[in-house]
Amino acid sequence: SQTIHQWPATLVQPVGSPLSLECTVEGTSNPNLYWYRQAAGRGLQLLFYSVGIGQISSEVPQNLSASRPQDRQFILSSKKLLLSDSGFYLCAWETGGDYGYTFGSGTRLTVV
Amino acid sequence: GQNIDQPTEMTATEGAIVQINCTYQTSGFNGLFWYQQHAGEAPTFLSYNVLDGLEEKGRFSSFLSRSKGYSYLLLKELQMKDSASYLCAVSLSGGSYIPTFGRGTSLIVHP
Repeated sequence: SQTIHQWPATLVQPVGSPLSLECTVEGTSNPNLYWYRQAAGRGLQLLFYSVGIGQISSEVPQNLSASRPQDRQFILSSKKLLLSDSGFYLCAWETGGDYGYTFGSGTRLTVV
Repeated sequence: GQNIDQPTEMTATEGAIVQINCTYQTSGFNGLFWYQQHAGEAPTFLSYNVLDGLEEKGRFSSFLSRSKGYSYLLLKELQMKDSASYLCAVSLSGGSYIPTFGRGTSLIVHP
């Protein structure tokens, strides 16, 4: 079966610390993958998307970066977190057809 | 730029019908998604409309008018578990079908 995994579920990090969030999909090959952020009271903001290994497109200039080291792995990183990086981070996989996009369970990041 | 508008919050009574509207002004249009998101959880797919008209899926229906830049999600026989945020998202044409999300409508269902 096709599934998407995202971890960790929650994270509390100090300002200036690094970040690494991981997302993996199973049961499919060459998926289109996405990182979204949802700040309190705001909509989902697309951060990065990837159509293949090593291919990253950035939608918003920011303190974050993304990498796709393997076909079914998508990583969101930061070298130095800011307070404004706090939010709910969601990885998504383009399921296609009539099913749209499937989201991972999300990571609640609080930068203190 | 892209603009997607939805009401911030709505309340309704258990067993009733509620309509959540979404209007959009975008450069290009391919289709419109509706997602449901319970507090603290990931969004789950509800519907995707490409053509004008009403599509029904059980208690939930979604309507699209491309000429008016308008969609609505209709929820019938409301249940307490329908209390959630409902996200409208537009998929743009022109090579990128990645959905652009509105801010979502928080629906509160009370007894």
